[in-house]
Amino acid sequence: AQSVAQPEDQVNVAEGNPLTVKCTYSVSGNPYLFWYVQYPNRGLQFLLKYITGDNLVKGSYGFEAEFNKSQTSFHLKKPSALVSDSALYFCAVTNNAGNMLTFGGGTRLMVKP
Amino acid sequence: NAGVMQNPRHLVRRRGQEARLRCSPMKGHSHVYWYRQLPEEGLKFMVYLQKENIIDESGMPKERFSAEFPKEGPSILRIQQVVRGDSAAYFCASSPYPTSGRALGEAKNIQYFGAGTRLSVL
Repeated sequence: AQSVAQPEDQVNVAEGNPLTVKCTYSVSGNPYLFWYVQYPNRGLQFLLKYITGDNLVKGSYGFEAEFNKSQTSFHLKKPSALVSDSALYFCAVTNNAGNMLTFGGGTRLMVKP
Repeated sequence: NAGVMQNPRHLVRRRGQEARLRCSPMKGHSHVYWYRQLPEEGLKFMVYLQKENIIDESGMPKERFSAEFPKEGPSILRIQQVVRGDSAAYFCASSPYPTSGRALGEAKNIQYFGAGTRLSVL
């Protein structure tokens, strides 16, 4: 069975500082990894994905994520946080044989001015 | 290209009634996925459909829940005889190819989500 852990319920960061939202996963086969963001009362918006290739993946709105196979992690990062980045972030995994996404519990990012 | 459209956005039902949730995938997408989100939790997979076929329903409760994706028209998630525990946000996603497929182009493995239907059972 596949699983995703987002160990932090909430991450607080000051505007302009770098941010990291952590994600570790467990899956058999080759992992397909995704980050989504959810704003209040909205659906999930795709940020970025890792399927294969470079371990550092760049996505929307200046976000990036680093795939680390040995640590089974896919942490989301941004060099300089904006107040408008405040939202709920979800990491998700599937593999090369599956179609359902397994989501982590989500991490609420709060960026303070 | 319109995104994934779900309606209604909010649905209120009394216990024992039926709830019908609709999802129109993005144009050109023939793969639809339904997920359920309880408050302050992540999304849980329910069912994966391709036109006229249920591919994977491993996340669907065995009773009262059903899903379809007819040749014409939207995908429907149907909940019969709703109970309070069914109160949740139900999200639909679509993709042009199976998420696990070998089409590794820019957007081909991504599931695009609708805004969801928030079901409240009184």
